[in-house]
Amino acid sequence: KNQVEQSPQSLIILEGKNCTLQCNYTVSPFSNLRWYKQDTGRGPVSLTIMTFSENTKSNRRYTATLDADTKQSSLHITASQLSDSASYICVVERKTGANNLFFGTGTRLTVIP
Amino acid sequence: ETGVTQTPRHLVMGMTNKKSLKCEQHLGHNAMYWYKQSAKKPLELMFVYNFKEQTENNSVPSRFSPECPNSSHLFLHLHTLQPEDSALYLCASSQDGMSGNTEAFFGQGTRLTVV
Repeated sequence: KNQVEQSPQSLIILEGKNCTLQCNYTVSPFSNLRWYKQDTGRGPVSLTIMTFSENTKSNRRYTATLDADTKQSSLHITASQLSDSASYICVVERKTGANNLFFGTGTRLTVIP
Repeated sequence: ETGVTQTPRHLVMGMTNKKSLKCEQHLGHNAMYWYKQSAKKPLELMFVYNFKEQTENNSVPSRFSPECPNSSHLFLHLHTLQPEDSALYLCASSQDGMSGNTEAFFGQGTRLTVV
């Protein structure tokens, strides 16, 4: 069964601290994995995409990792800011077939001053 | 802005009402989607249109009726909904809904409350 599981479900951190969000998946055959950020009351926006051959990718204060062997990904946020408060959703795309996007339930991150 | 616009942003309707959600994209994409987002659940795919043709209906109750008059517009017609249908309804579009590297661009969603 194609599934995407994220942890933790929610997280509260102090402004300026770092944090790491986890994503485990069973989707196969694997095409790519995206991390989306969803602000409250808005639609998700893509942060980064990881393909099979990529292990690490950085986008400003966000660093995503992918281990295709263990089917795990992480999103590390450095020097958190209040504006980082949002839900972070892991989305895995299957290589074949239509309608091939599988969504995690997301991690709700709250950054407090 | 992602290039996908949804209206209205908020909607409260009674169980006997008929209403419609609208989605518009000017990204030149050929695939459009309706998703339902309930609290503490992953996004649930409802409908997919590719080149205006419906290619997927994920066992959605008939009280939800989609319409795609052209590749830029997508509607979701609502009729005799139930309180459990209250959720955030997200529209998305992508360049190609059938193959790899499908980045979905989402609208801001319509927060629907059924009373």
